[in-house]
Amino acid sequence: NAGVTQTPKFQVLKTGQSMTLQCAQDMNHEYMSWYRQDPGMGLRLIHYSVGAGITDQGEVPNGYNVSRSTTEDFPLRLLSAAPSQTSVYFCASSYSKTLANEQFFGPGTRLTVL
Amino acid sequence: AQKVTQAQTEISVVEKEDVTLDCVYETRDTTYYLFWYKQPPSGELVFLIRRNSFDEQNEISGRYSWNFQKSTSSFNFTITASQVVDSAVYFCALSEAEYGGATNKLIFGTGTLLAVQP
Repeated sequence: NAGVTQTPKFQVLKTGQSMTLQCAQDMNHEYMSWYRQDPGMGLRLIHYSVGAGITDQGEVPNGYNVSRSTTEDFPLRLLSAAPSQTSVYFCASSYSKTLANEQFFGPGTRLTVL
Repeated sequence: AQKVTQAQTEISVVEKEDVTLDCVYETRDTTYYLFWYKQPPSGELVFLIRRNSFDEQNEISGRYSWNFQKSTSSFNFTITASQVVDSAVYFCALSEAEYGGATNKLIFGTGTLLAVQP
């Protein structure tokens, strides 16, 4: 199993550009989520999904969109990048959508918005 | 409101010293889960432990041990005989509650950077 994979590993954008961060898992996990990590702030939840076709907002959803058309994939879209979105983004997945289980994290995407 | 506080921003120890990382949480729920994750310099997040609110037994795994005390809302992590490979950022996290039940939505502390000097 590859676990949770994320692409790209690094990305530089200009203000106003859009892009999609890819996330995929091969563990047949129901639950998937996106976090951003900023210095001194820990990780904060952006969006999450409890199954294909179901998504919901986390703590910091503004400026991001998600969709979950398959169990495996959970892409994160930045609609119009802003410097405040410079961060490290982590995708995570968990077997159960109803219990607080161990979450498996991807390697992260480091995004810089100029 | 739910919150996780890791007051220690950075800790520096010399190899073979014992070190305790503090975690204090706030929640009004009776059912919740607590986690510790390790983030080594390579950047990935590694799961260490999950503990539910009904299990206050301390846990030991090799050189790692965890002390869960509901009376003080703390879930502290101790590394015995620290090694250079333990150098990392350690995050404590609390499962967010919804409709009376624990969810996979995690509330993270700000992390503690542990530097183990040889």
